[in-house]
Amino acid sequence: KAGVTQTPRYLIKTRGQQVTLSCSPISGHRSVSWYQQTPGQGLQFLFEYFSETQRNKGNFPGRFSGRQFSNSRSEMNVSTLELGDSALYLCASSLRQGWTQYFGPGTRLLVL
Amino acid sequence: QQQVKQSPQSLIVQKGGISIINCAYENTAFDYFPWYQQFPGKGPALLIAIRPDVSEKKEGRFTISFNKSAKQFSLHIMDSQPGDSATYFCAASKTNDMRFGAGTRLTVKP
Repeated sequence: KAGVTQTPRYLIKTRGQQVTLSCSPISGHRSVSWYQQTPGQGLQFLFEYFSETQRNKGNFPGRFSGRQFSNSRSEMNVSTLELGDSALYLCASSLRQGWTQYFGPGTRLLVL
Repeated sequence: QQQVKQSPQSLIVQKGGISIINCAYENTAFDYFPWYQQFPGKGPALLIAIRPDVSEKKEGRFTISFNKSAKQFSLHIMDSQPGDSATYFCAASKTNDMRFGAGTRLTVKP
């Protein structure tokens, strides 16, 4: 079974731009969570989607948004990028909410 | 609000030694406790997990010890190897919610 895939793997943007990241979960997994990881900050939870509905949301500004499609694929959007948004963005999928999460390789975003 | 506290932040162990990472949780509703291992440039990968109905689970050199009354659990890596050098995250989960610890950077010196 293929793992979680994330595209693109690397991205360079400038301040003020917006970016969309994509995540394809493991086949059959319906829950997708997004995390931001910066050096020394651990995994900061962004949001979780299950059956196309946002079920949980972390403490991030409204510039961070996401959605999930009927095939469970998910996208995350960050508008008006700031330098502090430079991070590794990880997507994780699970069969159901609260079950074991399987992570993708992440998208490394650099904001200049 | 940090619901899972992990320590130490970093750990240096000699090859062949035992690495111990500790986590404490607050919410007694948590019923699933996984550990993840992350190598640089990679996403975290599930290492081992435990449910609160058992006090210990062992898989190869990796053991989780769980103390329900103290709301604590720990990861023991026996015979630590340089290839174990990575960042380790503990997590606690219940329906609709999984919380991660801040991570421990383990370095195993040859």
